[in-house]
Amino acid sequence: GDSVTQMEGPVTLSEEAFLTINCTYTATGYPSLFWYVQYPGEGLQLLLKATKADDKGSNKGFEATYRKETTSFHLEKGSVQVSDSAVYFCALSDNSGAGSYQLTFGKGTKLSVIP
Amino acid sequence: NAGVTQTPKFRVLKTGQSMTLLCAQDMNHEYMYWYRQDPGMGLRLIHYSVGEGTTAKGEVPDGYNVSRLKKQNFLLGLESAAPSQTSVYFCASSPGQVETQYFGPGTRLLVL
Repeated sequence: GDSVTQMEGPVTLSEEAFLTINCTYTATGYPSLFWYVQYPGEGLQLLLKATKADDKGSNKGFEATYRKETTSFHLEKGSVQVSDSAVYFCALSDNSGAGSYQLTFGKGTKLSVIP
Repeated sequence: NAGVTQTPKFRVLKTGQSMTLLCAQDMNHEYMYWYRQDPGMGLRLIHYSVGEGTTAKGEVPDGYNVSRLKKQNFLLGLESAAPSQTSVYFCASSPGQVETQYFGPGTRLLVL
């Protein structure tokens, strides 16, 4: 079945540091890929997405590129801020039409940014 | 436009008690979902609905029931709560199968 593996946390960075959170996936078809962010005490919000190979999703300074050859969708940001402290989830949506309607999530990576 | 709302925000139950969690969305979305979030497990799909009057099982449906009598509402029921159902429950909705899902703020449930 489909699965998502993302790097274990927690990750602690100083403000203005470079961020990479690795995400790799296994899927039978050609999934859409997502990064969701969960701020403390809140629900998940879509951060960015990509629907086909080589697409780059971007939002709020975060970027991720859909790499079919390495089955990866790594999240990057050039300069993190304290306000980026949150839990980040990589997820995929199976587009194979086989009737799978769910998002498959990774376990989440907690990011803490210190001033 | 409130998006996705969930009621209640927090609840404590004793083992064997029943309760219903309510999810409401005002975006006219066809698809609705219930997930549970447990530490180190990510989110796992409990049940989902592809339209009014329809429901289907997700990855972890045992011990839960759902109903979608109105398009805007999706109810999650626990008939006889167990400590293993202590979790944070999130509802989500989307306009279509492969569209972005929009999440509610969550319901924290503690079963003693």
